[in-house]
Amino acid sequence: GAVVSQHPSWVICKSGTSVKIECRSLDFQATTMFWYRQFPKQSLMLMATSNEGSKATYEQGVEKDKFLINHASLTLSTLTVTSAHPEDSSFYICSASRVKDSGYEQYFGPGTRLTVT
Amino acid sequence: KNQVEQSPQSLIILEGKNCTLQCNYTVSPFSNLRWYKQDTGRGPVSLTIMTFSENTKSNGRYTATLDADTKQSSLHITASQLSDSASYICVVSASLYDYKLSFGAGTTVTVRA
Repeated sequence: GAVVSQHPSWVICKSGTSVKIECRSLDFQATTMFWYRQFPKQSLMLMATSNEGSKATYEQGVEKDKFLINHASLTLSTLTVTSAHPEDSSFYICSASRVKDSGYEQYFGPGTRLTVT
Repeated sequence: KNQVEQSPQSLIILEGKNCTLQCNYTVSPFSNLRWYKQDTGRGPVSLTIMTFSENTKSNGRYTATLDADTKQSSLHITASQLSDSASYICVVSASLYDYKLSFGAGTTVTVRA
């Protein structure tokens, strides 16, 4: 149980276009969903936190108008990279959390590789 | 400054050998520490989770230890296999119900035949 999927797994887009990435919790309803960014050989960096039906909370330094997050249901969150530029090329990972006896448990998706040309 | 430091940054071992990865943290308060395995181009997968009261946890050939007093943890891989080649990430949580996790930069393990 606790499977999180992402779609697409990789995407190549031209500079100036927008790209949408989907994150789904397949077998549970997620209390909260998170979006991370990871550069090569670096740690995951939290970009934003989203709860179903409310606005996302962005980490300092993350442009909310560039990285649009929509959390339509308890099982789906989307990240749209608007007017993408080559520096937005990165590995984007989502996670979904649920509350267990041990507290919040986050389950990570397989990631989406974005390349902007 | 990162509150979770991992060492070594990378290591290469021969198939069948053992290795130990280190994680030192300064996160306070402390709730739990997790080790994740991240294959190249994939998301992290949980290996072990330990609270402050636990000092060892095993998952197959992976054994994690925790010393909450010295704020150190280790991940021992026994009888390494080629499929163990991956990045291993130490993640610390300050609170049971705090979603914010502190991530280490990871140790890249390469297992060679």
